Amino acid sequence: AQSVAQPEDQVNVAEGNPLTVKCTYSVSGNPYLFWYVQYPNRGLQFLLKYITGDNLVKGSYGFEAEFNKSQTSFHLKKPSALVSDSALYFCAVRGLSNTGKLIFGQGTTLQVKP
Amino acid sequence: DADVTQTPRNRITKTGKRIMLECSQTKGHDRMYWYRQDPGLGLRLIYYSFDVKDINKGEISDGYSVSRQAQAKFSLSLESAIPNQTALYFCATSGTSSYEQYFGPGTRLTVT
Repeated sequence: AQSVAQPEDQVNVAEGNPLTVKCTYSVSGNPYLFWYVQYPNRGLQFLLKYITGDNLVKGSYGFEAEFNKSQTSFHLKKPSALVSDSALYFCAVRGLSNTGKLIFGQGTTLQVKP
Repeated sequence: DADVTQTPRNRITKTGKRIMLECSQTKGHDRMYWYRQDPGLGLRLIYYSFDVKDINKGEISDGYSVSRQAQAKFSLSLESAIPNQTALYFCATSGTSSYEQYFGPGTRLTVT
């Protein structure tokens, strides 16, 4: 069965420091991986995706993610955190079938302190 | 204007009542999805639809039904609401050839 795990419920970083939000996955075959962000009282916003190609994927708002096949990970990163980055972050993997269904991790709350 | 809209944004209802949540999109996408979000559980798929005539159950469809009235409209119904259906509900869309999904703002439903 396919699954996604986000091992940290919350990540705390100081503004200006680099941040990492972790994600590991379990799929058969090549994974299609995604990161979404949810701000309070808002829907999920697409940040970036890995389908194929370069293992380092760049996305919106200065975020990037590194695909590591051997470690089955897809960690979200940003070189310098902003207070406005504070939100709930979801990693997701696309299901095997052609339905386009996404399987989500449980989410990680990022708290960036001034 | 938002590409994916949901109505209502907030709803409080009583156990046993029927309620409908509506979703509309202007992205021209064929595929539409309904998810529910519960704290600590992420998002779970309730139903999805490839087009007006193609509707499929997701992982937690019990207690829910859907209607795809048009390419742009996808409604979720709770025939007889129960308290454990209290959650945040999201509609999403995707194109046939794209991989990412686009989400509406969500409906916060409380069943008392």
